[in-house]
Amino acid sequence: AQSVSQHNHHVILSEAASLELGCNYSYGGTVNLFWYVQYPGQHLQLLLKYFSGDPLVKGIKGFEAEFIKSKFSFNLRKPSVQWSDTAEYFCAVNENRDDKIIFGKGTRLHILP
Amino acid sequence: DTEVTQTPKHLVMGMTNKKSLKCEQHMGHRAMYWYKQKAKKPPELMFVYSYEKLSINESVPSRFSPECPNSSLLNLHLHALQPEDSALYLCASSQSANEGRHTGELFFGEGSRLTVL
Repeated sequence: AQSVSQHNHHVILSEAASLELGCNYSYGGTVNLFWYVQYPGQHLQLLLKYFSGDPLVKGIKGFEAEFIKSKFSFNLRKPSVQWSDTAEYFCAVNENRDDKIIFGKGTRLHILP
Repeated sequence: DTEVTQTPKHLVMGMTNKKSLKCEQHMGHRAMYWYKQKAKKPPELMFVYSYEKLSINESVPSRFSPECPNSSLLNLHLHALQPEDSALYLCASSQSANEGRHTGELFFGEGSRLTVL
């Protein structure tokens, strides 16, 4: 069974700091990978996604993620965070053959102004 | 704004009540999902419908009964729930894996917040 691990449960940063959130998955076959964000009081929305091709994917709001197949990882990065990035971030994985999409436990990011 | 609409936004029910949650999307997606999300926890997959047929049931108790009347609508019927079932219930849709253009990208509604007394 596929699983997703997020290593950082709660991250606190100051504005302008760099961010990297870890995500590892367990499935050895072809996968689709996602980062979703949930701002306080809002619904989940897609930040970025990887299906194939360039392993470095860029998303909205200056976020990017790198797929490293050998490490089963899909870490999320942002060079300089803003107070408005305060939110919960979920990594998700989908085996490229069915409709099952599984979420990691999430990382709560708090940016200090 | 999300293109997946869920009603009601809030629901309070007793353990003997029968109620339903509703979800609607008009993006032409053929896969629809129910997730359950407790506070400070990730969404947990409950059910997936693909082409109006139940394709995934994650061993959900029978007091939750999903229904997909057509490609745009998804219901979750609730009966004899327990207080621990209180949570945010999220509906989502996506292109189905069967469509050949499957991306797995989910479009979420804002959720129905359920409280069971």
